[in-house]
Amino acid sequence: AQSVTQPDIHITVSEGASLELRCNYSYGATPYLFWYVQSPGQGLQLLLKYFSGDTLVQGIKGFEAEFKRSQSSFNLRKPSVHWSDAAEYFCAVGNNAGNMLTFGGGTRLMVKP
Amino acid sequence: DAGVTQSPTHLIKTRGQHVTLRCSPISGHKSVSWYQQVLGQGPQFIFQYYEKEERGRGNFPDRFSARQFPNYSSELNVNALLLGDSALYLCASSLVPDYEQYFGPGTRLTVT
Repeated sequence: AQSVTQPDIHITVSEGASLELRCNYSYGATPYLFWYVQSPGQGLQLLLKYFSGDTLVQGIKGFEAEFKRSQSSFNLRKPSVHWSDAAEYFCAVGNNAGNMLTFGGGTRLMVKP
Repeated sequence: DAGVTQSPTHLIKTRGQHVTLRCSPISGHKSVSWYQQVLGQGPQFIFQYYEKEERGRGNFPDRFSARQFPNYSSELNVNALLLGDSALYLCASSLVPDYEQYFGPGTRLTVT
């Protein structure tokens, strides 16, 4: 069965500082990986996805993520955080049948001025 | 272009009642998926429909059912509501059942 672990429940960074959110997955085959962001009371917005190819993927809002098969990780990074990035971030893995996403528990990002 | 829309935005039901949630996918999208997000947790997969056929079901009891209409909109039905069904119900659509799913704002269900 596939699973996703986001080890950090909460992270606080200062505005302008760099950010890395961790994501570890468990899946028997080549995974399809995603990062979504959710603002309070809102739905999920897709930040980026990895299907195959280049292991460093670029997304919207200046985010990027790197797929590392040897570490079963897909960490999200941003070089300089803005106050508007404060939200909850979810990592997800998709199965090969293409019919379901499995999400991690999320990481809540707070940004200090 | 309009994104995924869901109705209603909020609703409050009593234990034992039945509820129907509605979802309209992005124009041109033929696949709809439903997720339940309990407060403080990540979304959990409930169903996926494509071309009106169920393509996947998560680990939810038979009280949960869904269907997809010819215009690709979808309904999620929950019978005999329990307090534990209180959650944000998210609908997502995609062109076909691949992984680039686009989510709606959700329906907040409170069961009292």
